[in-house]
Amino acid sequence: DARVTQTPRHKVTEMGQEVTMRCQPILGHNTVFWYRQTMMQGLELLAYFRNRAPLDDSGMPKDRFSAEMPDATLATLKIQPSEPRDSAVYFCASGLGRTQNTGELFFGEGSRLTVL
Amino acid sequence: QKEVEQNSGPLSVPEGAIASLNCTYSDRGSQSFFWYRQYSGKSPELIMSIYSNGDKEDGRFTAQLNKASQYVSLLIRDSQPSDSATYLCAVNPGYGNKLVFGAGTILRVKS
Repeated sequence: DARVTQTPRHKVTEMGQEVTMRCQPILGHNTVFWYRQTMMQGLELLAYFRNRAPLDDSGMPKDRFSAEMPDATLATLKIQPSEPRDSAVYFCASGLGRTQNTGELFFGEGSRLTVL
Repeated sequence: QKEVEQNSGPLSVPEGAIASLNCTYSDRGSQSFFWYRQYSGKSPELIMSIYSNGDKEDGRFTAQLNKASQYVSLLIRDSQPSDSATYLCAVNPGYGNKLVFGAGTILRVKS
């Protein structure tokens, strides 16, 4: 059963702490997206990788967020230092990345982050 | 102006009726259009993709695309209470291959 796996599912931390979220994309998918979802802003694109190379991280606050793909089976999103406004559900999604169907994505279950 | 706009709803329809969900987008160069369904507390799930003007049918779902009007819609026939969810319209604006989501429309199907 191919699926995108995200950890942790839930994280409660205090302001100023480092948070790392991990994602294992579906085997064979070459595109990985990180989205953040809040009631106010909806789904916001944070970063996008194709073949492990970062293509777009314009939606990500550069001073505190970083995203990497150390290998094809792992994508990470790090927040340092975390702030209460970072509280949200963070989704990882992967896809086959062919030109036309770039938008056919499979989402993980999400990581719910609460920063106190 | 947001890149992808949807009426937030909620849209309430009786069981068995047709639910019509609408979406407009701002980038005329957009080539690919998608509808995702998101149940409360769950992750988005792709239900329809459409790339050409006209209609595309899949079971009870029909996606409609009008590029001249920059308009995408999703029709759900014979609506069921299990269709109650938030429906997200997503557009590939044709540059950078990223996917931009609308805020979503909440659909409630009443039995």
